[in-house]
Amino acid sequence: EVQLVESGGGLVQPGGSLRLSCAASGFTFSSYSMNWVRQAPGKGLEWVSYISSSSSTIYYADSVKGRFTISRDNAKNSLYLQMNSLRDEDTAVYYCARDGGLRSWFDPWGQGTLVTVSS
Amino acid sequence: QSVLTQPPSVSGAPGQRVTISCTGSSSNIGAGYDVHWYQQLPGTAPKLLIYGNSNRPSGVPDRFSGSKSGTSASLAITGLQAEDEADYYCQSYDSSLRWVFGGGTKLTVL
Repeated sequence: EVQLVESGGGLVQPGGSLRLSCAASGFTFSSYSMNWVRQAPGKGLEWVSYISSSSSTIYYADSVKGRFTISRDNAKNSLYLQMNSLRDEDTAVYYCARDGGLRSWFDPWGQGTLVTVSS
Repeated sequence: QSVLTQPPSVSGAPGQRVTISCTGSSSNIGAGYDVHWYQQLPGTAPKLLIYGNSNRPSGVPDRFSGSKSGTSASLAITGLQAEDEADYYCQSYDSSLRWVFGGGTKLTVL
């Protein structure tokens, strides 16, 4: 069964840092590009970041560029999101999602991990 | 404000047909990029419902169908069931912003 499990969320003060992880299983992780997508409480979905299978191509949404860093470890079947200089508006459930192909869909999604930025 | 525009809510009685629209622009849907749809049940992660405008992943009932024309797309649900009550999101690719979503539509089964 294809499965993605996020971890690392929690409460952090504005300006603080947090590192999210996503453990993948049930598929050849090294063959797929991956994404992070977030959802603020009661709001819609927002794409955050993309990383290709070999880490050669990385993209960020303008809202997180310069503050967040996506990475992966194919040997550990894991995806990461290092979040620095966190702001109140970064409060959201963060999902990792497998990429469906060039400029395509997200499937499957993990269960999500909640990040709360508050003093 | 989302790049793709969806109605905030739609509703229908059991057994009826409802449609959810998704309107984009010349930099995303109108540029030829595919539209995908997700279903998010309360308290759960989004689930892929339609990919590539009109294709259903294995396990998705044929009551769900998608279409695309010009700068817009639609999701149709026929034979509405109580279990269909959820939030629905469209998604595409934008030549400037990359992956973009609609604001989501809450479906209420009356």
